[in-house]
Amino acid sequence: KQEVTQIPAALSVPEGENLVLNCSFTDSAIYNLQWFRQDPGKGLTSLLLIQSSQREQTSGRLNASLDKSSGRSTLYIAASQPGDSATYLCAVGYNQGGKLIFGQGTELSVKP
Amino acid sequence: EAGVTQFPSHSVIEKGQTVTLRCDPISGHDNLYWYRRVMGKEIKFLLHFVKESKQDESGMPNNRFLAERTGGTYSTLKVQPAELEDSGVYFCASSQGVGRGLISGANVLTFGAGSRLTVL
Repeated sequence: KQEVTQIPAALSVPEGENLVLNCSFTDSAIYNLQWFRQDPGKGLTSLLLIQSSQREQTSGRLNASLDKSSGRSTLYIAASQPGDSATYLCAVGYNQGGKLIFGQGTELSVKP
Repeated sequence: EAGVTQFPSHSVIEKGQTVTLRCDPISGHDNLYWYRRVMGKEIKFLLHFVKESKQDESGMPNNRFLAERTGGTYSTLKVQPAELEDSGVYFCASSQGVGRGLISGANVLTFGAGSRLTVL
């Protein structure tokens, strides 16, 4: 069964800290992996997308890595800010069709 | 460019009633998806349209759910009759299509804000 797990479920850090969110998946034959952000009452915003042939992607203070052999991805957030507070979701795609398997998310709170 | 629009944002109905959720995808997007998140669980795929055709409906929970996309534009998701366990947030997403997204072959999805359904 294809499952995605995210740890931790919730995380609270002081502003300025660097942090890592973890995502693991049971079936390593992935097509791509995406990290999303969700703010309360809002839709999902795609942050980074990693193709199965890639090892990492970077956007600003965000860096996502992918290790297919171990079935893991990490989202690294540098110099966290209160505006980074949101729920972060990891989702795995196994084909081009757009069907994604989501993890339950990590709720991040960055305190000023 | 307008994003993916969903209506209503919140619906409260009683068990046994019918509810219809609507999704307007980004103009020109051939692919339209429905996902939902029930309380305490992860977001799960329901189905995928390519234009007006159902490409994959493997995630539809049962025959109380009916999705349509007439003319390949907006889509509706009807729940009839609604049960308590149908409560949750229903998300719609759209994409241009394989090979025509921002990243070739990646089919990047744009999600709507979701429709929250509460069944009492």
